[in-house]
Amino acid sequence: DAGVIQSPRHEVTEMGQEVTLRCKPISGHNSLFWYRQTMMRGLELLIYFNNNVPIDDSGMPEDRFSAKMPNASFSTLKIQPSEPRDSAVYFCASSQQVGNQPQHFGDGTRLSIL
Amino acid sequence: AQSVTQPDIHITVSEGASLELRCNYSYGATPYLFWYVQSPGQGLQLLLKYFSGDTLVQGIKGFEAEFKRSQSSFNLRKPSVHWSDAAEYFCAVGAGRGGADGLTFGKGTHLIIQP
Repeated sequence: DAGVIQSPRHEVTEMGQEVTLRCKPISGHNSLFWYRQTMMRGLELLIYFNNNVPIDDSGMPEDRFSAKMPNASFSTLKIQPSEPRDSAVYFCASSQQVGNQPQHFGDGTRLSIL
Repeated sequence: AQSVTQPDIHITVSEGASLELRCNYSYGATPYLFWYVQSPGQGLQLLLKYFSGDTLVQGIKGFEAEFKRSQSSFNLRKPSVHWSDAAEYFCAVGAGRGGADGLTFGKGTHLIIQP
């Protein structure tokens, strides 16, 4: 079975540019999560969705960050405008909401803002 | 709010030796607890989880963990490590409903295996 698929795997762009990260959750999973990993702060939850509805976005650092889930098989995390301090690895994870199922992670997008 | 502490940033173990990675959590109710492993450049792979029931849980790759409510701990153990176990290990706590709510992670423990 296909796991959580993230694209791109690597992104290098200049400060001020718009960045869009993409995630395809595991088929049948109805919860989706975006995390950010940095050396200084470790793994942090940014936002999560249940049944395509944002439930908790308190981890989104600034208004420059936005996330959408237009359907059950696709989500985006957008940064506009990007800044060097946004450089990190961004992970998407998905899970089934019922049955106490754990989260499954994608391989991440390594983002570098120059 | 919940929190997770992994006291050891780095641990070095000889191949074939036993391993214990420490994890302490803070959460008001019964926690959902997880251990994940991350190899360089990879995502997080679930090793094991605790939701309820038997406090000693078995996971993949020969790992086990024991939930101790009185100590607020969920330590990860393996009787004999292999060189392929070298990686970053993360303990995490969920607020509720298993994996359906966001997880709070510890800062991780970097495991080094000596030949």
